[in-house]
Amino acid sequence: AAGVIQSPRHLIKEKRETATLKCYPIPRHDTVYWYQQGPGQDPQFLISFYEKMQSDKGSIPDRFSAQQFSDYHSELNMSSLELGDSALYFCASSLTRGQVYNEQFFGPGTRLTVL
Amino acid sequence: AQTVTQSQPEMSVQEAETVTLSCTYDTSENNYYLFWYKQPPSRQMILVIRQEAYKQQNATENRFSVNFQKAAKSFSLKISDSQLGDTAMYFCAFGQKGAQKLVFGQGTRLTINP
Repeated sequence: AAGVIQSPRHLIKEKRETATLKCYPIPRHDTVYWYQQGPGQDPQFLISFYEKMQSDKGSIPDRFSAQQFSDYHSELNMSSLELGDSALYFCASSLTRGQVYNEQFFGPGTRLTVL
Repeated sequence: AQTVTQSQPEMSVQEAETVTLSCTYDTSENNYYLFWYKQPPSRQMILVIRQEAYKQQNATENRFSVNFQKAAKSFSLKISDSQLGDTAMYFCAFGQKGAQKLVFGQGTRLTINP
């Protein structure tokens, strides 16, 4: 079965640089979520999109922005990177429409290292 | 706001033993879901088991079962006949019906020893 695809899997950037993380949800899934997991931390919700519209927002810095495109893939754009942005970034997808509850399927994550 | 608390940072048991991981949560909502996720060294997040709050029957998935105490806001995970492959970080998570984000606990690092 197809899974959530994230690219790149690893990314190394310098401080103050910009990074773009991509997420390709499971086919026919209409909702995408982004989570940030710092070293030794639990995943923290950043933002989600349902049918290409932002549906919920968590502790996402103003330096970060995200969107969901017409093909349902999503991109997380991170500018003015700081050392503290080094983390594992998960994308998850779910089918929300017509469902009693929406199980989230997680991608393998993108490991971002800011030097 | 919902909070999830896992009070056991680390646990260690011998292979084939039974182990129980604890989780408590706080919410004023009535419709919600609870989950246990497993994160092995690969860092992949794997759903182990889920529980709908409106169901009184505890969920079971093979060797994994939960003890859901809604009034006490407790949601523990029992792993029977533990295997070496169960070694991982386990996260308890709360999902409110209608809302979409998951709120995770701090995690419990479980080690199964041979």
